[in-house]
Amino acid sequence: RKEVEQDPGPFNVPEGATVAFNCTYSNSASQSFFWYRQDCRKEPKLLMSVYSSGNEDGRFTAQLNRASQYISLLIRDSKLSDSATYLCVVLSSGTYKYIFGTGTRLKVLA
Amino acid sequence: GAVVSQHPSWVICKSGTSVKIECRSLDFQATTMFWYRQFPKQSLMLMATSNEGSKATYEQGVEKDKFLINHASLTLSTLTVTSAHPEDSSFYICSARDSGIQPQHFGDGTRLSIL
Repeated sequence: RKEVEQDPGPFNVPEGATVAFNCTYSNSASQSFFWYRQDCRKEPKLLMSVYSSGNEDGRFTAQLNRASQYISLLIRDSKLSDSATYLCVVLSSGTYKYIFGTGTRLKVLA
Repeated sequence: GAVVSQHPSWVICKSGTSVKIECRSLDFQATTMFWYRQFPKQSLMLMATSNEGSKATYEQGVEKDKFLINHASLTLSTLTVTSAHPEDSSFYICSARDSGIQPQHFGDGTRLSIL
């Protein structure tokens, strides 16, 4: 089993739709979680950290479920510019290295 | 804030050449920098972790004599691909963070093509 698992997609959604991605992790000791977005042939950019109580940044909401060991990202009112690959990242406890999911590809259609 | 600059963005050179890539944290002190490689349609693969003033820690399967890493200051790390061959062609990305649990911030990446 992979340490961090994501559905690779692609998710094709119309503009204005709400879309949600889940990501599961295997190490229950993991403490820090992040969502990054990566555009084609570009570097990953931090979208948001994921906090235990859940957090929101504009149209984006991140949640953490420790009991079930998953994190989620919800995007409301999708824009064409949201088309990208969304990377789920778990910080390895002890080594502080990033463990990446494979990424979920989102395509927002006009 | 949290800007990481990577240079050069593109390199095209002949087989056997050594290529140096620089990674700079512009507005924070990076105690740790990471070097990744990414092949098309694949996830980032960690190559090595470098801490300022000490030797880099390489991931399994990454040749330290092939990929020389220097982290001489809190704002600069360099990766030198020595005697590069076509199979070294890839997208190389650095990242930096200032403490263990803080998020990493990525450089723009360097696209390396070896002919």
